[in-house]
Amino acid sequence: DAGITQSPRHKVTETGTPVTLRCHQTENHRYMYWYRQDPGHGLRLIHYSYGVKDTDKGEVSDGYSVSRSKTEDFLLTLESATSSQTSVYFCAIGGDSGNTIYFGEGSWLTVV
Amino acid sequence: GQNIDQPTEMTATEGAIVQINCTYQTSGFNGLFWYQQHAGEAPTFLSYNVLDGLEEKGRFSSFLSRSKGYSYLLLKELQMKDSASYLCAVMDSNYQLIWGAGTKLIIKP
Repeated sequence: DAGITQSPRHKVTETGTPVTLRCHQTENHRYMYWYRQDPGHGLRLIHYSYGVKDTDKGEVSDGYSVSRSKTEDFLLTLESATSSQTSVYFCAIGGDSGNTIYFGEGSWLTVV
Repeated sequence: GQNIDQPTEMTATEGAIVQINCTYQTSGFNGLFWYQQHAGEAPTFLSYNVLDGLEEKGRFSSFLSRSKGYSYLLLKELQMKDSASYLCAVMDSNYQLIWGAGTKLIIKP
């Protein structure tokens, strides 16, 4: 196992509320990623980080923000959740210079 | 733009062989990955190809042709537990992974 944990694993929240998902790694990887996965779309990159306080947007970043204050933690925040953000969210680590990336177990988010 | 194409769904018989194709058009190339994903679970790494040719790992093999922008994943001696989605991903010149939508493989007894 690649030493990645996500929390919470499952969450139901109401439209308009803020939500934060946490990704924690014990592998000391510089790169960390947040993806969402929806039927018919495959994995889509939301944001990624290439070091502490160094983050960048992916292809579906609108409505999401991230923070990385420590190497081991990468937080994804939905400032005001919408139903279109109902999805499964995967954190991943690795990928430096072509290395394999490994995924966390996923966080299932339902916005009602 | 960047694009990864793979079949949406395939069906095969237990004990048989199946080949899942992946074609790609990306800005640069720093390797191609195959992942397996069972329903409700995270993707798990299967193989990595950066040079042309065949990489064999037990019942699974992966082939790459960079000139053709083409790869395939070959699964031999299929087992029921191989029923899953198989994701193809290419690492582009910026070391970003571009993902295909995945191929759902259904294994029938």
